[in-house]
Amino acid sequence: GQQLNQSPQSMFIQEGEDVSMNCTSSSIFNTWLWYKQDPGEGPVLLIALYKAGELTSNGRLTAQFGITRKDSFLNISASIPSDVGIYFCAGRPTGTASKLTFGTGTRLQVTL
Amino acid sequence: GAGVSQSPSNKVTEKGKDVELRCDPISGHTALYWYRQSLGQGLEFLIYFQGNSAPDKSGLPSDRFSAERTGGSVSTLTIQRTQQEDSAVYLCASSLGIGRGGTDTQYFGPGTRLTVL
Repeated sequence: GQQLNQSPQSMFIQEGEDVSMNCTSSSIFNTWLWYKQDPGEGPVLLIALYKAGELTSNGRLTAQFGITRKDSFLNISASIPSDVGIYFCAGRPTGTASKLTFGTGTRLQVTL
Repeated sequence: GAGVSQSPSNKVTEKGKDVELRCDPISGHTALYWYRQSLGQGLEFLIYFQGNSAPDKSGLPSDRFSAERTGGSVSTLTIQRTQQEDSAVYLCASSLGIGRGGTDTQYFGPGTRLTVL
């Protein structure tokens, strides 16, 4: 099935650093979502975006819905060890009311 | 309240055997989704149930895969004649359903890790 192009695939950062990851699509999306998945668990929703240009924050996390509606980014400021995990972007292409298309994930590891 | 639960958490089976995976959605959620997550990959949509409507089966990879949702609640994903490439984590999610507040946030269960030997 279709998947979003998510980058980077993985990153090692030091505690306190800022992190940025992004997703791009060849088609227009009407919703962008960012999830985090811890080992052995299902993804948990972090931020949801519904309008082009929308910038939304959730604590140290900030995400934006790209103007072209074909991309989104997620920033994490001042990373801490519990930020470790896999971050997935997901979106709903226009004309799709139900199923989400997921990115391939960004594996984040934080060192002290 | 209770979240989405799935059982079993792990399943090891032999190639050619049938398996059933169970999902208990959040009470009151009318929408239910099944996804497959292969090692190191994102989530692949399999099937979607919304209320009493016909399910969207467009993501099922072959006719060996089927799913039911009884009484609008519990769902079972069945894989017949399992193959090694079916090994993956199978995730279930539920949501309030389209039109309920417009957000339709999907809440995921912990998944069932299927290993086909």
